[in-house]
Amino acid sequence: GENVEQHPSTLSVQEGDSAVIKCTYSDSASNYFPWYKQELGKRPQLIIDIRSNVGEKKDQRIAVTLNKTAKHFSLHITETQPEDSAVYFCAASPGANNLFFGTGTRLTVIP
Amino acid sequence: EAGVVQSPRYKIIEKKQPVAFWCNPISGHNTLYWYLQNLGQGPELLIRYENEEAVDDSQLPKDRFSAERLKGVDSTLKIQPAELGDSAVYLCASRLAGGTGELFFGEGSRLTVL
Repeated sequence: GENVEQHPSTLSVQEGDSAVIKCTYSDSASNYFPWYKQELGKRPQLIIDIRSNVGEKKDQRIAVTLNKTAKHFSLHITETQPEDSAVYFCAASPGANNLFFGTGTRLTVIP
Repeated sequence: EAGVVQSPRYKIIEKKQPVAFWCNPISGHNTLYWYLQNLGQGPELLIRYENEEAVDDSQLPKDRFSAERLKGVDSTLKIQPAELGDSAVYLCASRLAGGTGELFFGEGSRLTVL
């Protein structure tokens, strides 16, 4: 099955700085790459996703880039705010409706 | 519209006892997932249903875990008997059928086995 690796496991940034989280995947058939945000004790919620036919997608302060050749994708958060503090999970889908998650990155934005 | 509903939210049991979790997906979502989330880890797939059919249960420990989705709507995940290592959050998620798209998660059921 698909193996998704995520780095770093923890990340602390000053408010206003940028944060970058990186993921790699193993299955070249993967064609859908969502990112989920999970606040403490809450459900994971989709914040952005990208499909394999595009290299970059942006939504306000968050963006995701995809390099299919290298099998890696990244989440970029600019102008970080305290409410961005959470655990972020990347995921990859090799089709057939399955979704495989990374191990998560705990982001702390220091006011 | 109601989201994915799970119950109970919290359950504390002693080892070797049985436990069951219930999930009601978003109306119209044919695909239903059960994930296991250990503390500090990402969700791990246990089983995926397409309507009432379990189409991927390769990661479900079948010696003690079972699941059902009899009418293709609600689903139940059961553990019998529970072991200490089963302590985790059990997440249910649903999605519209037909390929990739957003998974909508429930709040999860946190199991503690003593």
